[in-house]
Parts: sequence; C-alpha cells; structure tokens
Amino acid sequence: NAGVTQTPKFQVLKTGQSMTLQCAQDMNHEYMSWYRQDPGMGLRLIHYSVGAGITDQGEVPNGYNVSRSTTEDFPLRLLSAAPSQTSVYFCASSRGGKGYEQYFGPGTRLTVT
Amino acid sequence: QQQVKQSPQSLIVQKGGIPIINCAYENTAFDYFPWYQQFPGKGPALLIAIRPDVSEKKEGRFTISFNKSAKQFSLHIMDSQPGDSATYFCAASLGSARQLTFGSGTQLTVLP
Repeated sequence: NAGVTQTPKFQVLKTGQSMTLQCAQDMNHEYMSWYRQDPGMGLRLIHYSVGAGITDQGEVPNGYNVSRSTTEDFPLRLLSAAPSQTSVYFCASSRGGKGYEQYFGPGTRLTVT
Repeated sequence: QQQVKQSPQSLIVQKGGIPIINCAYENTAFDYFPWYQQFPGKGPALLIAIRPDVSEKKEGRFTISFNKSAKQFSLHIMDSQPGDSATYFCAASLGSARQLTFGSGTQLTVLP
C-alpha cells in the first residue's frame, strides 16, 4: 500500500493564479480531509469528506474548493492564490467511525508570491 | 470556537528524561483525544489516543494522562531517546466524522 499520496511536493504560485493539489489514498478509507499547517498554529482543517459525493467545510475553508467523485481521490483547488495561503498542506484519510486515527500524506509546501 | 491549547511550545530534555506535554480543551463534547508525532518533512502520525472515560493509557514508553474534571490531558514520554526528537501535537475529535482540532504543537529535543 502506498497509503496517502500527495502531488506536487513543492509549488510556487503568483498571486491570483489557480491550481489543484492532488491527494489519493489506496486504503479504501471513507473519510478524507485537508489541513494546512502554519508555524505556531498546529494543523487547521480546511475541508473534509465522509464519502464520495459528500463534502463539508472545516475551520478555514475560504479560498479553497473540494470535490470527491471517487473514494480514492480528494483534490483541493485554490481558486485565486493569495500570499496568506502560503503554507504546508496535508491530506489525510481515516476509516469510518475512527476519524481520530488519521493517516497523513507527506504534504505539499506551497509558496504564493 | 472549539480550541485545544497546548504547552510548552518547545522542550529540551536529556536522554532518559521524562518530557511532559500538556493540553487543555474547552468543549466537553469532544470524544477522543489523540496525540500525533511529526518528524521534519513528514506528515503527522498517530502515536496514542484516549477516550474521556479513561484516566490513563500506556503504549510502550508513551503515556496519556486524562483529567476530565479539569478538561486537561498530557503526554509523558518515559526514558526519552534522541529518536523521540520531533514535534508533538495533541488533538481532540468531535462528531460522527470525528474531525480533529489540533493544538499548536510542541517541538521536543532529546539531547544524547
């Protein structure tokens, strides 16, 4: 099993550009989530999904969109990048009913100039 | 707003010492309290988790102590090793989807 994979590992964007961060898991987990990690702030939940076709907002959803058409994939879209979105982004997945046990990907380091 | 407050921000101990990391929460509806360990350049990984009806849980050298009345919980690392040097996050989960609210993290350094 590859677990949770994320692409790209690094990305530099200019303000106003859009892009999609990719996330895939091969563990057949129902739940998937996106977090951003900033120094001194821990990880903050952006969006999450409890199954294909079902998504919901987390703590910091503004400026981001998600969709989940399959169990395996959960892409995160930045609509119009801003310097405040410079961060490390982590995708995670978990089994239904055990959401506290999340499996994280290696992260994407995004810089917006 | 649901919050989990973590301290200290950083911690340095000698090999064999017992670092203690503390967390406090506000929302009594939280139903699981996991700890995650993160090494540089990697994603966090679950270390140990506890339910609020349990006062203590041990897994190897890692122990969670839970005080429900005080709404506090802590991580103790027995016989700490340089390989334990990492950032540790406490968290709390809520709801059927068990989404996590994380503390701000503690950077632990264990000196050889």
